[in-house]
Amino acid sequence: DTAVSQTPKYLVTQMGNDKSIKCEQNLGHDTMYWYKQDSKKFLKIMFSYNNKELIINETVPNRFSPKSPDKAHLNLHINSLELGDSAVYFCASSQVGQGAQYFGPGTRLLVL
Amino acid sequence: GQQVMQIPQYQHVQEGEDFTTYCNSSTTLSNIQWYKQRPGGHPVFLIQLVKSGEVKKQKRLTFQFGEAKKNSSLHITATQTTDVGTYFCAVYLSGYSTLTFGKGTMLLVSP
Repeated sequence: DTAVSQTPKYLVTQMGNDKSIKCEQNLGHDTMYWYKQDSKKFLKIMFSYNNKELIINETVPNRFSPKSPDKAHLNLHINSLELGDSAVYFCASSQVGQGAQYFGPGTRLLVL
Repeated sequence: GQQVMQIPQYQHVQEGEDFTTYCNSSTTLSNIQWYKQRPGGHPVFLIQLVKSGEVKKQKRLTFQFGEAKKNSSLHITATQTTDVGTYFCAVYLSGYSTLTFGKGTMLLVSP
């Protein structure tokens, strides 16, 4: 059973389009995250979310928005995609605020 | 400002050689985590260190947390080709409730 799953695995799209990436965790964790990994492998937190609080990295453009229909899901919606958005996006979850994080397989986004 | 530095950025070893990556912070850390990411894969949690001077072992991997809780190391004894990947340290910096990752050390092991 996959602990943290993401769809789609690959996403190729044109500049200006709007797209969503879905994430689901079956670990019963309280907190979920979105990370962006650029071509240099640098992992940057974008959002942290539990049922009480959304923490947004202030460097993330407001074209990016997390949406959580329930505790097990945290989707990422991106408006008006730009070339610089091309990267691998990872979803992750953890049981408590400073516990181990479990990552999904990643979504490889390419904006043309 | 606060940051976490990880060195080296890259290391290429022959199979059987040892490998060490270091993570250094300018401030005292509450804890430190280590992750491994295989090529094309996702980060996988390895371990969390909490106590000053803590040493933990996982088979050929040895993790250390400095006495001042400002640095940590991951040492691999007798590397194997399966050790290939990027090793990240990750910390909670003071005032932040989200994890900050180091830039990682990419390990390449030649048979």
